[in-house]
Amino acid sequence: EAQVTQNPRYLITVTGKKLTVTCSQNMNHEYMSWYRQDPGLGLRQIYYSMNVEVTDKGDVPEGYKVSRKEKRNFPLILESPSPNQTSLYFCASTPLLPLAREQYFGPGTRLTVL
Amino acid sequence: GESVGLHLPTLSVQEGDNSIINCAYSNSASDYFIWYKQESGKGPQFIIDIRSNMDKRQGQRVTVLLNKTVKHLSLQIAATQPGDSAVYFCADRGGSNYKLTFGKGTLLTVNP
Repeated sequence: EAQVTQNPRYLITVTGKKLTVTCSQNMNHEYMSWYRQDPGLGLRQIYYSMNVEVTDKGDVPEGYKVSRKEKRNFPLILESPSPNQTSLYFCASTPLLPLAREQYFGPGTRLTVL
Repeated sequence: GESVGLHLPTLSVQEGDNSIINCAYSNSASDYFIWYKQESGKGPQFIIDIRSNMDKRQGQRVTVLLNKTVKHLSLQIAATQPGDSAVYFCADRGGSNYKLTFGKGTLLTVNP
């Protein structure tokens, strides 16, 4: 089954404790992206990657890091989480061609930073 | 910056009625538009898309209309069912950038 998976689905942590949220897709998509979803603010892009070893900042990159060492994986790293990073996170992927294609979303990771 | 917005944050309809969810966008360079459905506890699911060279596209029970003159997008759901209850997002992509800009969402509630 074609899908985007994320782990963990739920995470409660404390301020300053480094964490990684994994994202993996099995559709051989070049483009991958991370979003956060907050009430009243919708989905905002954190980082994206056009292909292996190519990453770039989205609209709200502060406090986050990403890497793209393999085509299928795009982990989101919070080096020193803070309470304002409490949010619902989604990973998404899409092929570069054809140009007009939807992004496929993972099931989400609900993160709480105490 | 450029953004996509929604006219109505909530919409309540009776089962069997038609639903219309509206969206305004501001980026005149946007060439691709998508509607997503998000059910509680799940990620956004693709419903229908439309390219800027079209003004209407139909799917199963859904129709998307695009008016580039006034930068307006709408999603029509025919014979709305309780399973259609969800938050609906529009999103646009500006130019060759793959980034999607999302609206804040409309909560559709279908009353039986």
